[in-house]
Amino acid sequence: GQNIDQPTEMTATEGAIVQINCTYQTSGFNGLFWYQQHAGEAPTFLSYNVLDGLEEKGRFSSFLSRSKGYSYLLLKELQMKDSASYLCAVNNDYKLSFGAGTTVTVRA
Amino acid sequence: NAGVTQTPKFQVLKTGQSMTLQCAQDMNHEYMSWYRQDPGMGLRLIHYSVGAGITDQGEVPNGYNVSRSTTEDFPLRLLSAAPSQTSVYFCASSYDGGGNQPQHFGDGTRLSIL
Repeated sequence: GQNIDQPTEMTATEGAIVQINCTYQTSGFNGLFWYQQHAGEAPTFLSYNVLDGLEEKGRFSSFLSRSKGYSYLLLKELQMKDSASYLCAVNNDYKLSFGAGTTVTVRA
Repeated sequence: NAGVTQTPKFQVLKTGQSMTLQCAQDMNHEYMSWYRQDPGMGLRLIHYSVGAGITDQGEVPNGYNVSRSTTEDFPLRLLSAAPSQTSVYFCASSYDGGGNQPQHFGDGTRLSIL
């Protein structure tokens, strides 16, 4: 089976940094994705990690440790538009398994 | 620049009715998939396809059928709707479903079964 855990909710202030953790236990691993989903909308791709280490894309960074079954998404210089759900997903042999998502609320 | 198109956007059914959710993509992607999203449970894979003529089951396939006669289309059929199938359904596609190819999602179909 697949087990992917992430916190349910996080709140942060505009301009701050927030780190969303994701731990996983899966039968296989072909890569880990992070998606952003605004309320009532479709998920959109943010980042991908397959090797250990940090991937940086502008204000967003994602880290992976395969030995620990752990990833995090780092959101810097938070903006109001970053209020959304962030979904961690593990790719295993053409099957994508998602965590339940972390709802981030950015306050002024 | 359509991407992944799902129809209808909203649907209300009665228990026992059947219907087909449509999904089409114009990106020449080989891999297509269907998910359902329920509160507190995240996205769950229903069925997927790695190319025309090939389909396979995901995590929650019971009560759903799929077919992939063309690269572009991947319809999802509910055989006999049940209230437990009330959900938001997303179709997605990617180049090949392999490790580093992100999936592109349609806007979703919001389905209510009474």
